[in-house]
Amino acid sequence: AQTVTQSQPEMSVQEAETVTLSCTYDTSESDYYLFWYKQPPSRQMILVIRQEAYKQQNATENRFSVNFQKAAKSFSLKISDSQLGDAAMYFCAYRTRQGGSEKLVFGKGTKLTVNP
Amino acid sequence: NAGVMQNPRHLVRRRGQEARLRCSPMKGHSHVYWYRQLPEEGLKFMVYLQKENIIDESGMPKERFSAEFPKEGPSILRIQQVVRGDSAAYFCASSRLAGGTAYEQYFGPGTRLTVT
Repeated sequence: AQTVTQSQPEMSVQEAETVTLSCTYDTSESDYYLFWYKQPPSRQMILVIRQEAYKQQNATENRFSVNFQKAAKSFSLKISDSQLGDAAMYFCAYRTRQGGSEKLVFGKGTKLTVNP
Repeated sequence: NAGVMQNPRHLVRRRGQEARLRCSPMKGHSHVYWYRQLPEEGLKFMVYLQKENIIDESGMPKERFSAEFPKEGPSILRIQQVVRGDSAAYFCASSRLAGGTAYEQYFGPGTRLTVT
């Protein structure tokens, strides 16, 4: 079974600085997708960025980028120029397609605090 | 373009009562997923449905829990004879027809169930 591990329960960053959140996963599949979701205090799950495993190029969305290391099964999220609104729980997720299902497997999350 | 709708947002039930959680997917989406989030945890997959079909229920407890997605109307997650351990946030997500492409799952705001 696939597992996703986020080893940093909490992280903090100064406003305008850069922070990197770590994520590792375990799978025997070769074709899969990885996601980062943001959950602010409102509890709404918001998709931040996604990465297709077959693409070597790291995904980027404005201030958010990933470092995808397929061999190491690592998928970290970098937030540049951190803003107060970035404060939230961040969840790394793996999308399996095993057995015809499309379910997401989530890590336990990293709570990000942004200090003014 | 309305997003995924869930109701109620908050639900309080006494032990032994039934809880019914509703989810209306985004327009044009025919796939629905239910996830449960316990306090301080990530989201855990429960069930994946298409119209009138359960595709994957590997995350559903064997007893007391059931889900449906009828031809007409919202998807329903039903919990019979609730116990305190059922207290959690229940999230619904929807996606377009999957077919080898990473169609993102869009999440609703969640229903927070409290069992007293």
